[in-house]
Amino acid sequence: DTGVSQDPRHKITKRGQNVTFRCDPISEHNRLYWYRQTLGQGPEFLTYFQNEAQLEKSRLLSDRFSAERPKGSFSTLEIQRTEQGDSAMYLCASSRSGGQGLDTQNFGPGTRLTVL
Amino acid sequence: AQSVTQLDSHVSVSEGTPVLLRCNYSSSYSPSLFWYVQHPNKGLQLLLKYTSAATLVKGINGFEAEFKKSETSFHLTKPSAHMSDAAEYFCVVSDRWNQGGKLIFGQGTELSVKP
Repeated sequence: DTGVSQDPRHKITKRGQNVTFRCDPISEHNRLYWYRQTLGQGPEFLTYFQNEAQLEKSRLLSDRFSAERPKGSFSTLEIQRTEQGDSAMYLCASSRSGGQGLDTQNFGPGTRLTVL
Repeated sequence: AQSVTQLDSHVSVSEGTPVLLRCNYSSSYSPSLFWYVQHPNKGLQLLLKYTSAATLVKGINGFEAEFKKSETSFHLTKPSAHMSDAAEYFCVVSDRWNQGGKLIFGQGTELSVKP
């Protein structure tokens, strides 16, 4: 179990640029979640996948945001035309769906985005 | 809708004294409740979880929490604080019957431990 990994750990970009983040979940986990955490706040749910299917998206996920999990393994989160308000820590988590209820979500270290 | 309210944004204790971090929840369904800890520059780590088995839940590093349905509370306690406990703590709720299992976080409580 190597844990959830995220790349890059830090990203600085200029307003208007596109950025893409990657998350590699724990290998046997079929669920993958994205959260966003701004300074001084708790993480907020953005979206989640079960295998390759994106099953839920928060209204926080504007049209500029898109997430994929093409083969049910790693996932990418892309932000187009970044805005200063997008500056945050983007967290990825994975879990294994059980027969009933949920399993524990394991979090990655996050990608800190700064939009200048 | 589900939500959690962490009643203190910052708690300061002396090393060796008890810790109490307060959390109230709101849920239309039978909730699953969690406490996560976040140390600076480190990922979120699960401390403990409640999923309707025992109401007193024991976690890692000597922490425990008690689910009180009548008070809609899930307070986190530790008998004796250690310097390494200084971190941000999040109370979290999830809908146990929602197969998606998305987590709803509180605002966080920053715990400071004085020598």
